[in-house]
This record gives sequence, C-alpha cells and structure tokens, in this order.
Amino acid sequence: DIQMTQSPSTLSASVGDRVIISCRASQSINSWLAWYQQKPGKAPKLLIYKASSLESGVPSRFSGTGSGTEFTLTISSLQPDDFATYYCHQYNSYTQFTFGPGTKVDIK
Amino acid sequence: EVQLVESGGALVQPGESLRLSCAASGFTFSTYWMGWVRQAPGNGLEWVANIKTDGSDKYYVDSVKGRFTISRDNAKNSVYLQMNSLRAEDTAIYYCTRTQGPVPFDDWGQGTLVTVSS
Repeated sequence: DIQMTQSPSTLSASVGDRVIISCRASQSINSWLAWYQQKPGKAPKLLIYKASSLESGVPSRFSGTGSGTEFTLTISSLQPDDFATYYCHQYNSYTQFTFGPGTKVDIK
Repeated sequence: EVQLVESGGALVQPGESLRLSCAASGFTFSTYWMGWVRQAPGNGLEWVANIKTDGSDKYYVDSVKGRFTISRDNAKNSVYLQMNSLRAEDTAIYYCTRTQGPVPFDDWGQGTLVTVSS
C-alpha cells in the first residue's frame, strides 16, 4: 500500500508570507497527486490535481509541483482566507487512494 | 450546479448496520466514478471506497473490507454505502465524492455523521 507523509504538521505564518508544504509518497505515484484545503466544519476543497494543475476558480497564488514521490504545495502570498488545513492525496490507482495526515496553517 | 447530498447517518451500537445514501444532481452521474471519504472527529481524511461508472468495479480501504459495500443506481443518480458490523472506530463524518479522469474529488457533499457507541 502507498503511504503518504506531509511536513510540517503545523505551520505558523503571517499574511503575505510564502508558504511551502511538502508531501512524500512511499513509492512512485507519477503525477497522480491532488491537494485539498479544509476549514473547520466544512468539506474539503480541491485546489490542485495531477500535481500541478490548478482547479477552476482557485486563486493563482496556489501552485503545485513534483512527480514520482516528492511534491510541494506553495502559497505565494498567504491571505487571511488561507488559514486552514491542507491535505495531499494520491490517486495513482483507483484500487487504493490515500490521503496525507494534513498540515495545519495557522496565524503566527 | 453540482450537488451531492448525503443522508442516513445516525447513532448506532457496535455490531449494528447502517446504510448511507448520496443523491447526486447537476452532472452526468453515470460518467463519474463515485466514492466515500470519512473523517473521524478531530482527525484527517480517510478514503473508504470507490465504485466505477457502471458499478462493475469496487475498491475499499483494508479496514472496511468485508464489512462495507458500495453500490450505485445510475437510474436514480445515487450511490450508497452499506455498513455492517460497525465498530467504534467507524465513527466519522462520511462524505460522498466524485472522480472523473485526472480530476479527483472535485465536489463533495456536506457529509453525514455516523456515531458508533454503546
């Protein structure tokens, strides 16, 4: 089974900061990686799919890079609405999907 | 507008069964894989199950294999999750989601809460 890890688990940042979240897969998943944002009491929201494709309607300050086993989500200039928890998700095969444990971005 | 509306969550005792439903609208349901994702209180997301467009293939996370069954009715634009032999660790909000091609889980329901407790 493919395992996903994320770092850091918690990140304290200020509005305007550049934020980078890392995600690692236990084996190659090519580019089959997505990123989601979740706020308390809400369903997750898709931000990035296929490692670097921006979902429609998502601000361009969000970007994703990587392939194989190493991936990053970058927020170029953190906005007040961006304080949330972020999850990576591998979908290399429909037989088994896996989420990372999450990275909480809070106010510094 | 895409809508996914879950129902069926409840408080049940360990060992009991429950059936969750998800009613879909606003898109061509039969062309999407559908799935369930859960989130235990205060925890992260866990994929539970996927079902192919025509219902011919179904996949599950190891912890629910043999206890949960995903199904769909394309005529009713609905997907279901039959949960048997429920355990305390199945307590979670259960979300219905969809996947098509390279785009996973681009829409989610509001979730339905399942609580397993004696």
